[in-house]
Amino acid sequence: GQQLNQSPQSMFIQEGEDVSMNCTSSSIFNTWLWYKQDPGEGPVLLIALYKAGELTSNGRLTAQFGITRKDSFLNISASIPSDVGIYFCAGSTQGGSEKLVFGKGTKLTVNP
Amino acid sequence: DSGVTQTPKHLITATGQRVTLRCSPRSGDLSVYWYQQSLDQGLQFLIQYYNGEERAKGNILERFSAQQFPDLHSELNLSSLELGDSALYFCASSVGTITGELFFGEGSRLTVL
Repeated sequence: GQQLNQSPQSMFIQEGEDVSMNCTSSSIFNTWLWYKQDPGEGPVLLIALYKAGELTSNGRLTAQFGITRKDSFLNISASIPSDVGIYFCAGSTQGGSEKLVFGKGTKLTVNP
Repeated sequence: DSGVTQTPKHLITATGQRVTLRCSPRSGDLSVYWYQQSLDQGLQFLIQYYNGEERAKGNILERFSAQQFPDLHSELNLSSLELGDSALYFCASSVGTITGELFFGEGSRLTVL
């Protein structure tokens, strides 16, 4: 089945630094989404992308839907301690929620 | 608070036993999804229901089953439990099935001893 390769697996950064993580696949996706999971909580949707080349921001977060439709990246600017958590990319080849595929996550640690 | 309620939050049981996990979706959401999260496998899609009907199936074992009731709450039944079934089980809901915009509950942590 489809697989999403998410990198890096983990990141340790200082507060105030910018962060970049990405997700790639050998398959074409019609939808890319980014979720964040805080410790002990369920994932929360951060950004949804539905069009190749689309660049979308949500506060300090910016995500892009790759032109090839096989990748996406998420940037976090000026990180703060509450950015700590696991960030998951997710993609769908059918443009819907059926069989949404998740990456294995990027664990972010922010040192104050 | 996502609006999705899962019970129980924690469950400890023995191998061979059967458990039922319960999920109440956000008000107005017709779709319910079940995911399994283990340390080395990430979020694995198990099954989806839409308005009471099974809509899609993922990597769900034959020992596992689910259903969505007329009031739209859902239950995931896990039977003949094995040590490897220990994981976090998440329920998520969405209004329809067009987007991948899911709202997740806080999860049920299952420990099989």
